[in-house]
Amino acid sequence: NAGVMQNPRHLVRRRGQEARLRCSPMKGHSHVYWYRQLPEEGLKFMVYLQKENIIDESGMPKERFSAEFPKEGPSILRIQQVVRGDSAAYFCASSPVGTGRRAYEQYFGPGTRLTVT
Amino acid sequence: TQLLEQSPQFLSIQEGENLTVYCNSSSVFSSLQWYRQEPGEGPVLLVTVVTGGEVKKLKRLTFQFGDARKDSSLHITAAQPGDTGLYLCAGISFNAGNNRKLIWGLGTSLAVNP
Repeated sequence: NAGVMQNPRHLVRRRGQEARLRCSPMKGHSHVYWYRQLPEEGLKFMVYLQKENIIDESGMPKERFSAEFPKEGPSILRIQQVVRGDSAAYFCASSPVGTGRRAYEQYFGPGTRLTVT
Repeated sequence: TQLLEQSPQFLSIQEGENLTVYCNSSSVFSSLQWYRQEPGEGPVLLVTVVTGGEVKKLKRLTFQFGDARKDSSLHITAAQPGDTGLYLCAGISFNAGNNRKLIWGLGTSLAVNP
């Protein structure tokens, strides 16, 4: 059973360009979370999605950032007109459907390291 | 605002020593998870504790959930360099819409020196 996959692992963008980060959840998982992490810091929650629905986007900046999780295909985190402050590691996690305790356990991908030059 | 405070923020010890790190909150959580993150990688789930007072052991790691389900501790016996990493705790609560919400601590960065 393949784990959570993220690509690309490293992404370099110039200021003003767009960054698209992809996340394929574990097989059977329909809940996806995106996090941002700066060096030597903890995880900052951005958005929680289920298939075709945004459940909680309380951690997303109001401008330039968007996320989707279509019926088919990976979840996408999109950052428009990137600025240097967007440089960070972006992690995706998935969790299974269900009401038991294990439904809340998150399985993380290896992350995408975005560098804005 | 629910907060999870982790302490200490940084810890550097010698191989073979024992250590305990803490995860504290003024809020009650339905369950709590511990993760370890190694440099350059995503966090990996270590354990989920559910019942107040619960103790779980994972080899040299012992996890305890407080009786009131507001705090947790992680004790490592005879630490090894492979234990080096960022230890994160995350508590599960439900918001007003009955959607689950994971509250994250900022982590304890552990370095075990050979």
